[in-house]
Amino acid sequence: KAGVTQTPRYLIKTRGQQVTLSCSPISGHRSVSWYQQTPGQGLQFLFEYFSETQRNKGNFPGRFSGRQFSNSRSEMNVSTLELGDSALYLCASSLMAGGHYNEQFFGPGTRLTVL
Amino acid sequence: KNEVEQSPQNLTAQEGEFITINCSYSVGISALHWLQQHPGGGIVSLFMLSSGKKKHGRLIATINIQEKHSSLHITASHPRDSAVYICAVAGAGSYQLTFGKGTKLSVIP
Repeated sequence: KAGVTQTPRYLIKTRGQQVTLSCSPISGHRSVSWYQQTPGQGLQFLFEYFSETQRNKGNFPGRFSGRQFSNSRSEMNVSTLELGDSALYLCASSLMAGGHYNEQFFGPGTRLTVL
Repeated sequence: KNEVEQSPQNLTAQEGEFITINCSYSVGISALHWLQQHPGGGIVSLFMLSSGKKKHGRLIATINIQEKHSSLHITASHPRDSAVYICAVAGAGSYQLTFGKGTKLSVIP
C-alpha cells in the first residue's frame, strides 16, 4: 500500500503570496490532519478533516484554511504569506474518525520558505 | 489547554545502553502517542496508548493515567535509534493533538 504523499515537497514563496499544499492519504483512510512544525514552536495542530468535514481547528489565523475532497485527498491553503509561515507542513492520515484515537501515518512534509 | 513536558531535551548514549524518555501532561487525555522523527523530517508513529504498556521489538512505552506520565524505553540502543522522539496527547473529547518539544537522542557507537 502506498504511503501518505504530499506535494510539493519544497516551495519558496514571497511575502503576500498564497500557497496551496496537497496531501493524499493512504488508500481507505478517511481522516486527514495537518500540522505545522517550526524550530521555535515545534509541532502544532492545524486542522483535521473527516468525510469532507473539518472537525477541529488549531489556534491559527483565518489565513490558514483547508478542505477535503470526496476521495479523502486534502488541501491546505495559506493566504497573504508572512515570514513566520516558513515551516515544515505535515499531513497525517488515519483509518477512522478522530485521527488522534488511531495510529497516524505521516507524509514526508512540504517545506515552505517565505522570503 | 494541555501542557506536555518532555525530559530530557537532549540525550547522548553509548551503543547498548538502556534509554528512558519521559513525558508529563497536565490534564486528562484520551490517548498518548510516541513519534519518532529522523533528520529530514519524516515522522513515524511508534506507539499509541491509553493505558498500561506496549512493546515493539526493543521499544517499550508505558503510561500511568493517574500520574499523567508516560515513558518510552529503548533497550540495547543502537546508532540507528538516533532521532528526535516526540510525545503527543489527545485531550478527552478533543480531536486535537498537543505535542511536546521533543527529545533529541544521539547514540554513539
